[in-house]
Amino acid sequence: DAGVTQSPTHLIKTRGQQVTLRCSPKSGHDTVSWYQQALGQGPQFIFQYYEEEERQRGNFPDRFSGHQFPNYSSELNVNALLLGDSALYLCASTPMGLEGYTFGSGTRLTVV
Amino acid sequence: GESVGLHLPTLSVQEGDNSIINCAYSNSASDYFIWYKQESGKGPQFIIDIRSNMDKRQGQRVTVLLNKTVKHLSLQIAATQPGDSAVYFCAETSRGNDYKLSFGAGTTVTVRA
Repeated sequence: DAGVTQSPTHLIKTRGQQVTLRCSPKSGHDTVSWYQQALGQGPQFIFQYYEEEERQRGNFPDRFSGHQFPNYSSELNVNALLLGDSALYLCASTPMGLEGYTFGSGTRLTVV
Repeated sequence: GESVGLHLPTLSVQEGDNSIINCAYSNSASDYFIWYKQESGKGPQFIIDIRSNMDKRQGQRVTVLLNKTVKHLSLQIAATQPGDSAVYFCAETSRGNDYKLSFGAGTTVTVRA
């Protein structure tokens, strides 16, 4: 049974560009959350999707947007990339509720 | 404001000894806590969780203690092994905020052979 899968694993972008990261939740999970983890820091909540809608959002600018598809997979989009957006982006999935909150291995984004 | 923090950024422990990792939180409404282990290049891995109606919970070689009076959480690892070397995070959420986890900065545990 595959866990949470994310793609790509690594990505290098130029400042000002746009990026799309992808996440497939664990089988049986319908809720997807995205986190940003800067080097040496704990993950910071970006937003969460359930039933194809954004349910909750952290303190991130509108440059960060997302989408959830009918098969529960999700995308994270970041526009107008800044150097400070360089981080590990983690996707986590859960069934309705908190138990079973499972993280993927992340996408390492480097903005140059 | 709300914060979740760990007391020490690094911990060095002799193989076979017990490890204790501490975490303080400031939100008195926090009612669910999780400890995660993160190895290099990987995402956080669930270790153990505890709800605020408990003060102790045990798993395999791990114990989480919760002291709500002083808003303190600890993770005890028995008979620490080289494979326990990693960064450990505590995370919390609160009623009404059920799906957003707030993480501390992490403690790096190094196991000495």
